[in-house]
Amino acid sequence: DSGVTQTPKHLITATGQRVTLRCSPRSGDLSVYWYQQSLDQGLQFLIQYYNGEERAKGNILERFSAQQFPDLHSELNLSSLELGDSALYFCASSNPGPRDSFISGNTIYFGEGSWLTVV
Amino acid sequence: GIQVEQSPPDLILQEGANSTLRCNFSDSVNNLQWFHQNPWGQLINLFYIPSGTKQNGRLSATTVATERYSLLYISSSQTTDSGVYFCAANMNYGGSQGNLIFGKGTKLSVKP
Repeated sequence: DSGVTQTPKHLITATGQRVTLRCSPRSGDLSVYWYQQSLDQGLQFLIQYYNGEERAKGNILERFSAQQFPDLHSELNLSSLELGDSALYFCASSNPGPRDSFISGNTIYFGEGSWLTVV
Repeated sequence: GIQVEQSPPDLILQEGANSTLRCNFSDSVNNLQWFHQNPWGQLINLFYIPSGTKQNGRLSATTVATERYSLLYISSSQTTDSGVYFCAANMNYGGSQGNLIFGKGTKLSVKP
């Protein structure tokens, strides 16, 4: 158990709909990351939040958005869903050291993922 | 940006055999990690190893940063080792922490 909790574990929805995926990071972790894993694109970084603020953006579509709340949990919102959005969405967390980021040697821990199927 | 390539893409082993998985990266990195994704999809981090050698039980990893590659060794493989092994790296300074670039993985199947 990584300590990162994601809900829901499975979700089936129709094209055009909107869903919200939720993530609770490990206790004490300030950074939350979202990744998408699909058959054709592999594992891709979407976005990172650090202590409530957006820190880095990857290949995140404009139809997707995320936020991190004061209690450090995060939500990934996916709207106007298309068939191609079907994927496994991972949340991960880490606890950057005083110098912040991986320079200080922090590993990243993944949740079990949310399987999204768009039909 | 940095590119991460893994080989081989697929590997089939008999239980008890040893194996070496390779990860090449295109630029200097300050973060390199190995992950195992089990058949249920769970991603488990195995090693944080931007340089040097680490061992954890039957698994060990070595990264030669100057030559831009990392190796993951699995000894006396067991069926529970099956799954996909990913190498991921980044070279972030300040700004974009956490933007791990993943390789396509090595799919390992260990037969009893």
